[in-house]
Amino acid sequence: DAGVTQSPTHLIKTRGQHVTLRCSPISGHKSVSWYQQVLGQGPQFIFQYYEKEERGRGNFPDRFSARQFPNYSSELNVNALLLGDSALYLCASSLTAHPQETQYFGPGTRLLVL
Amino acid sequence: KQEVTQIPAALSVPEGENLVLNCSFTDSAIYNLQWFRQDPGKGLTSLLLIQSSQREQTSGRLNASLDKSSGRSTLYIAASQPGDSATYLCAVRGNYGGSQGNLIFGKGTKLSVKP
Repeated sequence: DAGVTQSPTHLIKTRGQHVTLRCSPISGHKSVSWYQQVLGQGPQFIFQYYEKEERGRGNFPDRFSARQFPNYSSELNVNALLLGDSALYLCASSLTAHPQETQYFGPGTRLLVL
Repeated sequence: KQEVTQIPAALSVPEGENLVLNCSFTDSAIYNLQWFRQDPGKGLTSLLLIQSSQREQTSGRLNASLDKSSGRSTLYIAASQPGDSATYLCAVRGNYGGSQGNLIFGKGTKLSVKP
């Protein structure tokens, strides 16, 4: 079975641009979460979606937004990119939003902002 | 505010040695604790998930323990191999900011196993 997939794998943008990152969860999983991992740090929570509704939001500016589609895939959008947005963006999926379930992570999208 | 700390930040051991990685957290009100492995530039691979009601979990050469009252977890790796070289991350899940869905991560322990 395919795991969590993310696209693109790498991306280079310039300051002020907009970026869209995509995630497909494991088949049958209805919850998707997004994390940002800056070099040398642990991942930080950005958003969780379940059944197309936002279930949680981390401490990130309004430049970050996300949505989940009827097929449970998800997009993360970042506007007005800053140099500090350079990071590995990770998507995780789980069957439901129940806190006792394991989250399975994808390979990530590495974003470089110049 | 939940904070997760991992000690040491880096560890180098010879092949075959048994080793212990440490994780501590400040708020004992957690649903579970999860250990991950991350290879350079890659995503996270889940190793073990310990629910708050459990004391330990085992998978192959890996054993993770949880002492919720003291805010500590350890990951024990037996008979280490060069292929175990990676960064190991500890994460806890609780009710943070009204969300039950997010994991709070430590910064990780970078393990190097020398042949």
